Amino acid sequence: EAQVTQNPRYLITVTGKKLTVTCSQNMNHEYMSWYRQDPGLGLRQIYYSMNVEVTDKGDVPEGYKVSRKEKRNFPLILESPSPNQTSLYFCASSPLWGSNQPQHFGDGTRLSIL
Amino acid sequence: GESVGLHLPTLSVQEGDNSIINCAYSNSASDYFIWYKQESGKGPQFIIDIRSNMDKRQGQRVTVLLNKTVKHLSLQIAATQPGDSAVYFCAEKFSSNTGKLIFGQGTTLQVKP
Repeated sequence: EAQVTQNPRYLITVTGKKLTVTCSQNMNHEYMSWYRQDPGLGLRQIYYSMNVEVTDKGDVPEGYKVSRKEKRNFPLILESPSPNQTSLYFCASSPLWGSNQPQHFGDGTRLSIL
Repeated sequence: GESVGLHLPTLSVQEGDNSIINCAYSNSASDYFIWYKQESGKGPQFIIDIRSNMDKRQGQRVTVLLNKTVKHLSLQIAATQPGDSAVYFCAEKFSSNTGKLIFGQGTTLQVKP
């Protein structure tokens, strides 16, 4: 089954403790992206990757890092999480970006930073 | 700055009626638009898309209309069903040169039986 898988689905942690949210897709998609979703603000793009070893900032990249060492994985790293990063996070992927095809989303990761 | 906005945060319709959800975008250079549906506890699901060289596109029970003159996008759902209750987002892709996808804030569709 074609899917985007995020782990963990839920995490409660404390300020300053590094964490990684993994994202994996099995569709051989070149494009991957991370979003955060907050009430009243909708979905905002954090980082995206057009291909392996190619990443770029979205609209809200501060406090986050990403890497794209292989096509199927696109982890989101919070080096020193803070309470304002408490949010619902989504990973998404799509085929070649310029081909105008829709993104497929994972089911989300709910992070609570205390 | 650029933004994608939905006109109404909540839309309530009777089962069997048609629904129309609207979206305004501000970047005239955007070349691709997408509608997503998000149910509680799930990620956004693709509904329908349209490229900027088109005015209208139809799917199963859904139609997307694009008016580039006034930078307006709408999603029409025919014979709305209880399973259509969800939050609907429009999204705008600025261009092929960047990977940015901008989402509107979402409209909640409530279907009354």
